[in-house]
Amino acid sequence: AQSVTQLDSHVSVSEGTPVLLRCNYSSSYSPSLFWYVQHPNKGLQLLLKYTSAATLVKGINGFEAEFKKSETSFHLTKPSAHMSDAAEYFCVASGGSYIPTFGRGTSLIVHP
Amino acid sequence: SQTIHQWPATLVQPVGSPLSLECTVEGTSNPNLYWYRQAAGRGLQLLFYSVGIGQISSEVPQNLSASRPQDRQFILSSKKLLLSDSGFYLCAWSYGTLGNYGYTFGSGTRLTVV
Repeated sequence: AQSVTQLDSHVSVSEGTPVLLRCNYSSSYSPSLFWYVQHPNKGLQLLLKYTSAATLVKGINGFEAEFKKSETSFHLTKPSAHMSDAAEYFCVASGGSYIPTFGRGTSLIVHP
Repeated sequence: SQTIHQWPATLVQPVGSPLSLECTVEGTSNPNLYWYRQAAGRGLQLLFYSVGIGQISSEVPQNLSASRPQDRQFILSSKKLLLSDSGFYLCAWSYGTLGNYGYTFGSGTRLTVV
């Protein structure tokens, strides 16, 4: 069994400040981990993925995430937030079955 | 390259009317296909998934059904819509048995039942 917990339902930052979206997972095997972004009324877009290669994963739009097995975490970061980053972010785990496990999502709010 | 098409983008239907949402994938064969629903302010709920033609697994028993008449076609249906069927419906595909390569989502259908 596996589960994904996104620790914050909402994160609010000012434009130009760092972004941290937290994700913890629980799994009986080594999962593949993903971050997706969803802008209003749009589908989900893959930001980045970890599949047992490098633990620091770089994605699109300046985002990156670090896989920490000891902490069972896969937090998403960006050094400087942009207004266009305002969206819903989903952490996802998969492996061992056809069905991915989604976190409940974190809404990122960016203030000017 | 692979692409996924989902239509319509928006739909307003009266209670009790039928529903048919279609999703097709291009550029790959034998994909795993998924239907998700996203209610307002909530996360994604897996409704159905399919690993092959005619093979449908239902995750949540409800007023909806799914069919896969062709390898790259996935259809979500209802005979009589309920108000509670309103939401944002997303189709997705993946390949491989473990989903290690991620999932590609369609652009979604906003369904409003009135």
